[in-house]
Amino acid sequence: QVQLVESGGGVVQPGGSLRLSCAASGFTFSDYAMHWVRQAPAKGLEWLAVIWHDGRNKYYVESVKGRFTISRDNSKNTLYLQMNSLRGEDTAIYYCARDRDEMTTLSSFNIWGQGTMVTVSS
Amino acid sequence: DIQMTQSPSTLSASVGDRVTITCRASQSISTWLAWYQQKPGKAPKLLIYDASSLETGVPSRFSGSGSGTEFTLTISSLQPDDFTTYYCQQYNTYPRTFGQGTKVEIK
Repeated sequence: QVQLVESGGGVVQPGGSLRLSCAASGFTFSDYAMHWVRQAPAKGLEWLAVIWHDGRNKYYVESVKGRFTISRDNSKNTLYLQMNSLRGEDTAIYYCARDRDEMTTLSSFNIWGQGTMVTVSS
Repeated sequence: DIQMTQSPSTLSASVGDRVTITCRASQSISTWLAWYQQKPGKAPKLLIYDASSLETGVPSRFSGSGSGTEFTLTISSLQPDDFTTYYCQQYNTYPRTFGQGTKVEIK
């Protein structure tokens, strides 16, 4: 079945780094743009970044620009989020999500992973 | 960035009630709007896309309408499973942005 499974979360000190992975299965990964979305404890959803299906274009929310890098390996059906210079306010559940529609820049997200928790604390 | 504002933030209702949640965009987004349902400890679930299209498998008591800057999500007859939190999201431009959420609670 169509599935996204995140991994790589954990506890990290302020200023530290972490790389999240999102393994995709059940669909043609290389046909879809992919996103990272996070949710701080008891807060709402915050979109972080997108990478287009072919990896050519990436966009970020201002709060993570220069610190986070989204990437993908279509040969491994895997999405990544490299997070550097982590801060306390980056503490959240991190979800990967897939565009509902393939090969487009205008799409909602219809497939979500279960999320992976990142805690930034000394 | 496009700001999305949902109202109300909390809504108290009873099983069987018809409820409406409003989402306003700070600039026109045509019909590039989605509604998600999120239950505690779970990932969001897509309910409505393109402002008014029902996602496959979503009960027909959910409906969406609107265009431009004003949108609504309506649940025609609240069921026990519907008492949870709902978010709107625009996908007209980057960064994608979500509303702050509306919690539907039992009256």
